[in-house]
Amino acid sequence: NAGVTQTPKFQVLKTGQSMTLQCAQDMNHEYMSWYRQDPGMGLRLIHYSVGAGITDQGEVPNGYNVSRSTTEDFPLRLLSAAPSQTSVYFCASSYWGQDNEQFFGPGTRLTVL
Amino acid sequence: AQKVTQAQTEISVVEKEDVTLDCVYETRDTTYYLFWYKQPPSGELVFLIRRNSFDEQNEISGRYSWNFQKSTSSFNFTITASQVVDSAVYFCALTMNRDDKIIFGKGTRLHILP
Repeated sequence: NAGVTQTPKFQVLKTGQSMTLQCAQDMNHEYMSWYRQDPGMGLRLIHYSVGAGITDQGEVPNGYNVSRSTTEDFPLRLLSAAPSQTSVYFCASSYWGQDNEQFFGPGTRLTVL
Repeated sequence: AQKVTQAQTEISVVEKEDVTLDCVYETRDTTYYLFWYKQPPSGELVFLIRRNSFDEQNEISGRYSWNFQKSTSSFNFTITASQVVDSAVYFCALTMNRDDKIIFGKGTRLHILP
């Protein structure tokens, strides 16, 4: 199993550009989520999904969209990048729900100029 | 409101010393789950432990131990005989049975000095 994979590992954007961070898992996990990690702020939940076709907002959803058309994939879209979105982004997945062990991807380091 | 507080932003200890990382949580729910994750310098996040609110038994895994006390809303993590490889950021997290979200603390950066 590859576990949770994220692409790209690094990305530099200009303000106003759009892009999609990819996340995939091969463990047949129902629950998937996106976090951003900023210095001194810990991990903050952006969006999550409890299964294919179902998504919901987390703590900091503004400026991000998600979709879950398959169990395996959970892409995160930045519609119009802003410098405040400079961060490290982690995707995670787990069996059944958020009350189980989360398996994290390696992260994507995004810089918005 | 639900909250996780890790008051220790950064800790430095000399190798072989014992160190305790504090985690205090807030929730009004009776069913909840607590976690600890480790983030070494390489950046990945690694699961350490999960504890539900009905199980107050302390847990020991090698040099790691966890003390869950509902009376003080704390879920503290102790490393015995610390090693340089224990240097990392450690996160405590909380989720409630009725909610789908996980709340992380801001983390404690632990430096183990040789």
